[in-house]
Amino acid sequence: NAGVTQTPKFQVLKTGQSMTLQCAQDMNHNSMYWYRQDPGMGLRLIYYSASEGTTDKGEVPNGYNVSRLNKREFSLRLESAAPSQTSVYFCASSKAPDRMGEKLFFGSGTQLSVL
Amino acid sequence: QKEVEQNSGPLSVPEGAIASLNCTYSDRGSQSFFWYRQYSGKSPELIMSIYSNGDKEDGRFTAQLNKASQYVSLLIRDSQPSDSATYLCAVNGYSGAGSYQLTFGKGTKLSVIP
Repeated sequence: NAGVTQTPKFQVLKTGQSMTLQCAQDMNHNSMYWYRQDPGMGLRLIYYSASEGTTDKGEVPNGYNVSRLNKREFSLRLESAAPSQTSVYFCASSKAPDRMGEKLFFGSGTQLSVL
Repeated sequence: QKEVEQNSGPLSVPEGAIASLNCTYSDRGSQSFFWYRQYSGKSPELIMSIYSNGDKEDGRFTAQLNKASQYVSLLIRDSQPSDSATYLCAVNGYSGAGSYQLTFGKGTKLSVIP
């Protein structure tokens, strides 16, 4: 059972380059998320998709775009990478959370460096 | 802006001792609270959830919740070196338009010394 698969695991970009991080889940989850994690900053939500066909901004959306391609796949795009986007990126998925919340399942992460 | 505060540590405890990790939150309307464990270089994994005031025990782990004080804690009894990790407190809150999402604290790094 693969769970949440994200690619690539590592990426080095030059300032101004673009790239797309891919994420797919095989648990039939409704909701998917993109987080970034910086030292001393915890996990910060970039964008989320509560259900197929919807996307919403999280805490730190500037410089990113997302696409919920179908129920399984949720991609994150950096149009013009900046050094401030150097971080570890995690994709996650869950059943549709209500006021009682839902367990998040995380991918293995992408280490992105922007030079 | 919903806030979740944790002591960043590092918290060092000897093997076999009790480790106590604390978390406070700002959203009084939150109904559910979670502890995730993250080993270095790995992704977070859920270890405890708590919804009602009081204690919830699962093996060596006990989560404690006090909604009046807006305080959540995690106790790890008989700490083992394998418990060395960063522990993330997460609070579920309403984000509008019928959606709920987690707000994470910055995490507390725990080191268990053999």
